[in-house]
Amino acid sequence: DQQVKQNSPSLSVQEGRISILNCDYTNSMFDYFLWYKKYPAEGPTFLISISSIKDKNEDGRFTVFLNKSAKHLSLHIVPSQPGDSAVYFCAAPGGSYIPTFGRGTSLIVHP
Amino acid sequence: ETGVTQSPTHLIKTRGQQVTLRCSSQSGHNTVSWYQQALGQGPQFIFQYYREEENGRGNFPPRFSGLQFPNYSSELNVNALELDDSALYLCASSPDRPTANEKLFFGSGTQLSVL
Repeated sequence: DQQVKQNSPSLSVQEGRISILNCDYTNSMFDYFLWYKKYPAEGPTFLISISSIKDKNEDGRFTVFLNKSAKHLSLHIVPSQPGDSAVYFCAAPGGSYIPTFGRGTSLIVHP
Repeated sequence: ETGVTQSPTHLIKTRGQQVTLRCSSQSGHNTVSWYQQALGQGPQFIFQYYREEENGRGNFPPRFSGLQFPNYSSELNVNALELDDSALYLCASSPDRPTANEKLFFGSGTQLSVL
């Protein structure tokens, strides 16, 4: 079974600074991880992913780091912008490749 | 290409009633999954259908049931509603049989309130 934990329910950051969102998982069987972003009144949308053959994946201002030995990944947003204010979910596949989601981290970026 | 659409957007029911939520997957997407998101929680997997057959089920009681239709639409039925069923119900589709790196395309959800 897969468990995904996002231990910080919220994060407040000043515009222009770095936002770091963390995620821990339990099952290394599949080692492919995805981040989704959710705005109020909208469904989650895919943001960025990483596979176990990498320890870093970058897409513009978003970078995800994977530490396989610690079963930990983090999402870095640099520089943070007010439009990044949303709930961020970490997801990892479990049995039958069905993704398990963390409870999310609510990011607020202050102008 | 249309995205994933869900109806209704909001719904209020009373305990013991039955409800049907509907989803129209993105065209050409053969897999549909349903998730329940309670307040302050992440989406919890209910079940998944691939080409109209159930492909996996989460830890939800049998009163949660579903169907997928050939026209890329699906529905979630919940019988004997309980107060704890109050949540946002999300439908997500993906093009083919699930893989580890499959991205899900979500609808905006149906907010269900059970009084």
